[in-house]
Amino acid sequence: DIQMTQSPSSLSASVGDRVTITCQASQDISNYLNWYQQKPGKAPKLLIYGASNLETGVPSRFSGSGSGTHFSLTISGLQPEDFAAYFCQQYDSPFTFGPGTKVDIK
Amino acid sequence: QVQLQESGPGLVKPSETLSLTCIVSGGSVSSGDFYWNWIRQPPGKGLEWIGFVYHTGGTNYNPSLKSRVTLSLDVSKNHFSLKVNSATAADTALYFCARAPLKYYDGSSGPVSFDVWGQGTLVTVSS
Repeated sequence: DIQMTQSPSSLSASVGDRVTITCQASQDISNYLNWYQQKPGKAPKLLIYGASNLETGVPSRFSGSGSGTHFSLTISGLQPEDFAAYFCQQYDSPFTFGPGTKVDIK
Repeated sequence: QVQLQESGPGLVKPSETLSLTCIVSGGSVSSGDFYWNWIRQPPGKGLEWIGFVYHTGGTNYNPSLKSRVTLSLDVSKNHFSLKVNSATAADTALYFCARAPLKYYDGSSGPVSFDVWGQGTLVTVSS
């Protein structure tokens, strides 16, 4: 199975900050990488698919980049509703998720 | 729009079978455009994909769970189901059902992302 790692595991930020989360795959997955946001007690929400494509309805302050084994999710101008956990997921079967990055208020 | 809702017992005894159902509304499990998935999340931990069932009844399981898991689909009731045999405390988790659209990419096709999720149901394995 392809193992996914994320860094940092948590971060503290302020409203308006630019935040970048990274995800690394244990082998080349091309651009087969998605990003999700999860709030406590809720289901994850798809943000980015195919490494850099914004899911319909997701604000443009979210962006994704990368290919191969290194990927990143950037939030440009953090909003109060963005404080949540973020997971990456690769889709070379079996699907696997990263351990998550928790973004909380500084 | 399509909505998914998990249902089933919240408490299962060790060695027994964990059984959950996902009711689909606003869409059909008989559509060939989607794969129907189960994903779980132990308390305070990350997400683990369990497997999917397709409208044909075909399945794909996570190898780590394959020996204990069965997924099935009931077109007449428009729902799909999960069974995990020989449950242990390690199966205690928030269980989500989720839809994955069929996508075509790089000369291949299949599910790639989970675009609609149920709210999740907590299952505790304990005597």
